[in-house]
Amino acid sequence: KNEVEQSPQNLTAQEGEFITINCSYSVGISALHWLQQHPGGGIVSLFMLSSGKKKHGRLIATINIQEKHSSLHITASHPRDSAVYICAVNSGAGSYQLTFGKGTKLSVIP
Amino acid sequence: NAGVMQNPRHLVRRRGQEARLRCSPMKGHSHVYWYRQLPEEGLKFMVYLQKENIIDESGMPKERFSAEFPKEGPSILRIQQVVRGDSAAYFCASSPRPGDTDTQYFGPGTRLTVL
Repeated sequence: KNEVEQSPQNLTAQEGEFITINCSYSVGISALHWLQQHPGGGIVSLFMLSSGKKKHGRLIATINIQEKHSSLHITASHPRDSAVYICAVNSGAGSYQLTFGKGTKLSVIP
Repeated sequence: NAGVMQNPRHLVRRRGQEARLRCSPMKGHSHVYWYRQLPEEGLKFMVYLQKENIIDESGMPKERFSAEFPKEGPSILRIQQVVRGDSAAYFCASSPRPGDTDTQYFGPGTRLTVL
């Protein structure tokens, strides 16, 4: 069973700061997902990656398969980035089940 | 292309009643997943369905919970004789291919409150 750990649990940043959220998992995976859960509760899929790095706007996701670690970076943070960021993994080929971290609550202050 | 639709968005039931949660996947998606988010806890997998088939229900409680995804119409998550511990947010997600090869798109969730 894969264990997914995120850090930090809570993060407060000033507008404009560079933000990093970390995710570690215990067992080999086929893919890792970063999700954003808005204050209203809706969930948006940000990235799905199995190697390397992906970028979308001000968001960058990286993964190191050997170290079983992924990071989500937000450049030039803005108050509208305030949300819970969730890491989830597919554990192995053919595994469609997602195992989720508990999330990182980000608050960006103007 | 509308996203994943869930209804109702909020559902209040008294202990012992039945709750029916509906999920309409994105157009062209034949894979549906249900997840539960208990208060102050992370999301947990419940069940994975394809049209007319339950593929994996290993995350679903053995009693009172059932799911279906008929040939026509939405996927239904049914909870019989609800108890207070069933109060949670229930999210549905869909994908065009199995989730380990494709992004899952989430619905807005149904928040169930059991009085």
